[in-house]
Amino acid sequence: NAGVTQTPKFQVLKTGQSMTLQCAQDMNHNSMYWYRQDPGMGLRLIYYSASEGTTDKGEVPNGYNVSRLNKREFSLRLESAAPSQTSVYFCASSLRTISQFFGPGTRLTVL
Amino acid sequence: QKEVEQDPGPLSVPEGAIVSLNCTYSNSAFQYFMWYRQYSRKGPELLMYTYSSGNKEDGRFTAQVDKSSKYISLFIRDSQPSDSATYLCAMSEGVGAQKLVFGQGTRLTINP
Repeated sequence: NAGVTQTPKFQVLKTGQSMTLQCAQDMNHNSMYWYRQDPGMGLRLIYYSASEGTTDKGEVPNGYNVSRLNKREFSLRLESAAPSQTSVYFCASSLRTISQFFGPGTRLTVL
Repeated sequence: QKEVEQDPGPLSVPEGAIVSLNCTYSNSAFQYFMWYRQYSRKGPELLMYTYSSGNKEDGRFTAQVDKSSKYISLFIRDSQPSDSATYLCAMSEGVGAQKLVFGQGTRLTINP
């Protein structure tokens, strides 16, 4: 089992460009999450999907959109990237909220 | 004020020392308390969790929760260089709450 996979691992964007971060899990989990991690800020929830077909905003949703494509895949889209979105992005999945399995992360730099 | 506060460190101790990592919180509805470990340039992984107040031990690791003081701790005994990582506390109002609230993380280095 690969667990939670994320692509790409690294990305550099210019301000205003768009991109989609991909996440897939092979553990048959119902719930999936997108976080961003910034120095001194810990992990902050951007969006989550409790089950296939549902998505909800987290703590910092502005500037992002998500799609729960199927049970396995949950993508995060930046429509018009800004320097404030420079961060490390983690996808996670879980059967129960308290036990979340994280992917390896995507390091995004917006110039 | 953040819902969960954690001293970011960094914390550096010699091998074999007892390490104490702590978090405070403001939301009295939190019932599940977790510790995640994150190695450099990796995703976090769940280390252990505790329900409500009390202690839980797992090998060299002990988690303590004091809900009356809104204070949780993680103790590491006989610390090893392989314990060097960032430790994040996280909390949830319930198993079905769908959201975890994380602390800022404490960066720990164990020196051989």
